[in-house]
Amino acid sequence: GAVVSQHPSWVICKSGTSVKIECRSLDFQATTMFWYRQFPKQSLMLMATSNEGSKATYEQGVEKDKFLINHASLTLSTLTVTSAHPEDSSFYICSARQARGGNQPQHFGDGTRLSIL
Amino acid sequence: GQNIDQPTEMTATEGAIVQINCTYQTSGFNGLFWYQQHAGEAPTFLSYNVLDGLEEKGRFSSFLSRSKGYSYLLLKELQMKDSASYLCAPMDSNYQLIWGAGTKLIIKP
Repeated sequence: GAVVSQHPSWVICKSGTSVKIECRSLDFQATTMFWYRQFPKQSLMLMATSNEGSKATYEQGVEKDKFLINHASLTLSTLTVTSAHPEDSSFYICSARQARGGNQPQHFGDGTRLSIL
Repeated sequence: GQNIDQPTEMTATEGAIVQINCTYQTSGFNGLFWYQQHAGEAPTFLSYNVLDGLEEKGRFSSFLSRSKGYSYLLLKELQMKDSASYLCAPMDSNYQLIWGAGTKLIIKP
């Protein structure tokens, strides 16, 4: 149980392109989803937390107009990287948690490796 | 501030036992999670401790001492596939996980 699906796995695109990443909880309802970014050999960096039906809460330093997050249903959240540039190249990982608040584990998708040329 | 301290890297032999220590400081505490992350992959959930003591789950066990701000992950009968990074992630008063850089575990035959 607690499977999270993330697509696409890999994206290679030109600078200026917008990229949409989907995160789905397949066998549970995720009231809270998280979006992380991870650079090589570094720790996970939380970008934003989204609760179903409400606006995402962004971490300090993360541009909300650049990283658009939508959590329209209990099983789907999307992250759109708008007008991506080479410095946005990274490993983006989503996770989902079953309960709002609470001490449930976060279950991770397989991640999306984004390369901007 | 919030802080996690784990060794950067550890090496162990196949078939042996290894203990990965973690000390933490958080604003409030709602339990501590251990995750495994293979290179180039997303983390996978291993264990959760909220009360003091040892939780055993197959070859992996996790221990927590809340008064000391200390946890460890114990891996027995090490296999080559256990080579990965192990992330200690305490949960603060806002139910947010605090992530460190983790411990890279290298298993040698």
